[in-house]
Amino acid sequence: DQQVKQNSPSLSVQEGRISILNCDYTNSMFDYFLWYKKYPAEGPTFLISISSIKDKNEDGRFTVFLNKSAKHLSLHIVPSQPGDSAVYFCAASLGSGTASKLTFGTGTRLQVTL
Amino acid sequence: GAVVSQHPSWVICKSGTSVKIECRSLDFQATTMFWYRQFPKQSLMLMATSNEGSKATYEQGVEKDKFLINHASLTLSTLTVTSAHPEDSSFYICSASRLVRSYEQYFGPGTRLTVT
Repeated sequence: DQQVKQNSPSLSVQEGRISILNCDYTNSMFDYFLWYKKYPAEGPTFLISISSIKDKNEDGRFTVFLNKSAKHLSLHIVPSQPGDSAVYFCAASLGSGTASKLTFGTGTRLQVTL
Repeated sequence: GAVVSQHPSWVICKSGTSVKIECRSLDFQATTMFWYRQFPKQSLMLMATSNEGSKATYEQGVEKDKFLINHASLTLSTLTVTSAHPEDSSFYICSASRLVRSYEQYFGPGTRLTVT
C-alpha cells in the first residue's frame, strides 16, 4: 500500500523555467510533509517542509504548496538551474514525537537542460 | 548545521563476515536515528528506528538478529550486518532527527555494501 505517491518518474525543464514536482498521499493523518533532493550514491538532502495546517511554505527558490482536500502537494523550483538536476523525493511524517517515521514517495528525476 | 556523517562510504566484504557501519551527527544531538536501505532505482526503505540508550524498533520483515543496531550516544549509532550474504549488498543510509522539529530527518551520505 503506497501511501505517498509520485506519479511522474521523470521531468525535464529548461534552465530558468519553473519546475513543478507533484506528490499525492492517502493518509489524512500525516501532519508534516517534506521534500528531499538526492544525487546518485549520496544521502538525501533536506530541502523544505510544510505543516499540514499550512498551505504554502517558501524558502528561496523553493516553494511547497499543500492542498489537504485533494491530498496533494507540489514543489515549485523557480528559476530552475542545472544543479537542480537530481531525484526528488516527497515524504510524509506521522506524528512529531521523537520516533516519527517518514514515508517516502518513489521519487521524480528532474533534469534541467541548458 | 544538521550534518550527518557515515563511515565507511563503501565496503566490500566476503560472504559470512560481519560489517559495521557508523552514523554520526556532527553538530547536533540526535534524539532518534533511523536506518534505511535503498535498492537501485527504488525508494528508501526504513529498516529500523533507534533512540539513544534503548533497543531499536525494527520494521516488519527486517531481521533484528541480522541487522544489529546500537545507539550508544546522542551522536552515534551503528549498524552491524552479521553473517553477510550477497543479497545484503545494498546502499545503506542513516538519518538523524533532533528534539526540535523532530519530523525533519537529516541524512548521511550513505554506505555502499558489496558482499562477494
